[in-house]
Amino acid sequence: EAGVVQSPRYKIIEKKQPVAFWCNPISGHNTLYWYRQNLGQGPELLIRYENEEAVDDSQLPKDRFSAERLKGVDSTLKIQPAELGDSAVYLCASSGGGTEETQYFGPGTRLLVL
Amino acid sequence: GIQVEQSPPDLILQEGANSTLRCNFSDSVNNLQWFHQNPWGQLINLFYIPSGTKQNGRLSATTVATERYSLLYISSSQTTDSGVYFCAVERNQGGKLIFGQGTELSVKP
Repeated sequence: EAGVVQSPRYKIIEKKQPVAFWCNPISGHNTLYWYRQNLGQGPELLIRYENEEAVDDSQLPKDRFSAERLKGVDSTLKIQPAELGDSAVYLCASSGGGTEETQYFGPGTRLLVL
Repeated sequence: GIQVEQSPPDLILQEGANSTLRCNFSDSVNNLQWFHQNPWGQLINLFYIPSGTKQNGRLSATTVATERYSLLYISSSQTTDSGVYFCAVERNQGGKLIFGQGTELSVKP
C-alpha cells in the first residue's frame, strides 16, 4: 500500500514569491492534516480536513496561507507571499478514522525562503 | 492547552545498549503516538498507544494513562536507531496531535 505522497520534496524561493505544496493521502483515508515543523521542534498542526471540509484551521495564518482539498482526496497548501520565517518543513499526514486514529506522515516538503 | 514534555532531550548510546525515553503529558488523552524521525526527516510511526503496553521487535512502549506518562524502550540499540523520537498526544478523537520537543538519539558503533 502506498504511503502519503508529497511534492515537491524541496523548494527554494525568494521572499514575496508564492509557493504551493501538494499531498496525496493514503487511499481511503478521510482525514488529512497539514503540519509545519521548524528546525529543532516538533510538528505543529496548520489545518485538518474531514473529507472536503476544513474542520480545524485555527493555526493557519490566513492572511498568507490557504489550503484546499477538492473532492476529498488530495490537497494543496499555498503560501502567498512567502516570508523568511516560513522556512520550515511542511508535512502532510492522513488517518483512516475509526477507533484507532493513527496518523501517517508523508516525507515532507523542505521550504527555504531567501 | 495540553503540555507534552519529553526526556532526556539528547541521548548518546553505544551500539548494543538499552535505553528508556519518557513522555509526560498534562491532561487525559485519547491518542498517544510515538514516532521516529530519521535523518532524512521522515516521521515513522512506532506505536499507537493511548494506554497499555505494546512490543514490536526491539522496541516496546508503555502508557500509564492515569499517571499521564508514556515510556519507549529501545533494547540492543543499533546505529539505524539514531534520529529524533517524538511523543505526540491528542485530547479528542479526530483532534490535532500535540508533539513534544523530541529526544535526539545518537547510537555510536
